[in-house]
Amino acid sequence: QSALTQPASVSGSPGQSITISCTGTSSDVGSFNLVSWYQQYPGKAPKLMIYEDSKRPSGVSNRFSGSKSGNTASLTISGLQAEDEADYYCCSYPGISNYVFGTGTKVTVL
Amino acid sequence: QVQLQESGPGLVKPSQTLSLTCTVSGGSISSGSHYWSWIRQPAGKGLEWIGRVYNSGSTNYNPSLKSRVTISIDTSKNQFSLNLRSVTAADTAVYHCARAPSGIAFDIWGQGTTVTVSS
Repeated sequence: QSALTQPASVSGSPGQSITISCTGTSSDVGSFNLVSWYQQYPGKAPKLMIYEDSKRPSGVSNRFSGSKSGNTASLTISGLQAEDEADYYCCSYPGISNYVFGTGTKVTVL
Repeated sequence: QVQLQESGPGLVKPSQTLSLTCTVSGGSISSGSHYWSWIRQPAGKGLEWIGRVYNSGSTNYNPSLKSRVTISIDTSKNQFSLNLRSVTAADTAVYHCARAPSGIAFDIWGQGTTVTVSS
């Protein structure tokens, strides 16, 4: 199964909102699959930011929000801050096995 | 607070078997409906799920790696392990272990261990 498609990079100025897309197919993102999002700083382990398409774990800023429409899931970061500069990955889980990650997006804060 | 820590050789020769262990601390590997996974990331590249084990010992693997992978669990040691056979340079990566409550998402990750395949 192929990786989900994400833009290689997204940038924004402090205070702005940005959206990262995660595009799959009707067999993964567009089906019953649950989408999660991860933030990763260089040399560090990924951190769960969104699960079940739009739920935030305890401790994650409410500036991060997730949504899904058709075959595309999205992560929106509002009120962009310097600390948000990192790599972000989506992940599709079909409820049985075989998780599929996205290609990853580098977020740059201008 | 549950923490995960990977351990194992940092260098493996081509055609040999890569073996890693993930030790769970701060909680029991048997408690809850948790799935325990291995995920890898080649330098400068994206994440790839390798496979997972449940506390019952049942496993699921990435179809692209299934023929070479075995994941097992040792509840008495609070550990789970990865064996990847017949490795090549393409298996060089940082290997993470991670927990997924009910399999939904990976909420706790190990820091990762770098494995290089080279003679």
